[in-house]
Amino acid sequence: GAGVSQTPSNKVTEKGKYVELRCDPISGHTALYWYRQSLGQGPEFLIYFQGTGAADDSGLPNDRFFAVRPEGSVSTLKIQRTERGDSAVYLCASSLEGRDRVHFGPGTRLTVL
Amino acid sequence: KNEVEQSPQNLTAQEGEFITINCSYSVGISALHWLQQHPGGGIVSLFMLSSGKKKHGRLIATINIQEKHSSLHITASHPRDSAVYICAVPNYGGSQGNLIFGKGTKLSVKP
Repeated sequence: GAGVSQTPSNKVTEKGKYVELRCDPISGHTALYWYRQSLGQGPEFLIYFQGTGAADDSGLPNDRFFAVRPEGSVSTLKIQRTERGDSAVYLCASSLEGRDRVHFGPGTRLTVL
Repeated sequence: KNEVEQSPQNLTAQEGEFITINCSYSVGISALHWLQQHPGGGIVSLFMLSSGKKKHGRLIATINIQEKHSSLHITASHPRDSAVYICAVPNYGGSQGNLIFGKGTKLSVKP
């Protein structure tokens, strides 16, 4: 079946702009995760959704970052007033109920100029 | 916060060799993940294990909960196994999805 998909695959923006990154999880997966991976580093946790609610948003670095999952499927990660330090690959993942293997999407490479 | 250490950082092997990658963590966990990331590629989950041993093809993962240690073994390694292997554990006090990732082991298998 279809895996986790993310759009866009690449996003180039200017400092100060607003961006939205989209994640389509595997159908039926109730748990959804956002991570980001800077060049040469391992991924770092941002936020975890169980259904529509954010069960754990302790990884969001500051209030410029926000994520939603209004219907319990697709999720959008929103970044306001982007900074050059936000440049990274943003990874989305999903799992059946949060206690199963995690399936990762291909990522969105964000470049802030 | 859970601390995750992987070794070695880099590993070069000849095709056919038996490979072992190690992962240690500092705080007790319910499950540990082994992930594979190819250059420029996405991340694939290889194993999620909470005790004992799991096997999938040429890959074997073991975990010792008491010693807070896990190993990933690759038998009869092949150049297509070349990738970065990452272990990840839940952050202490966080949710199951709040994973702390190791820095990864970069494996290169030469033909």
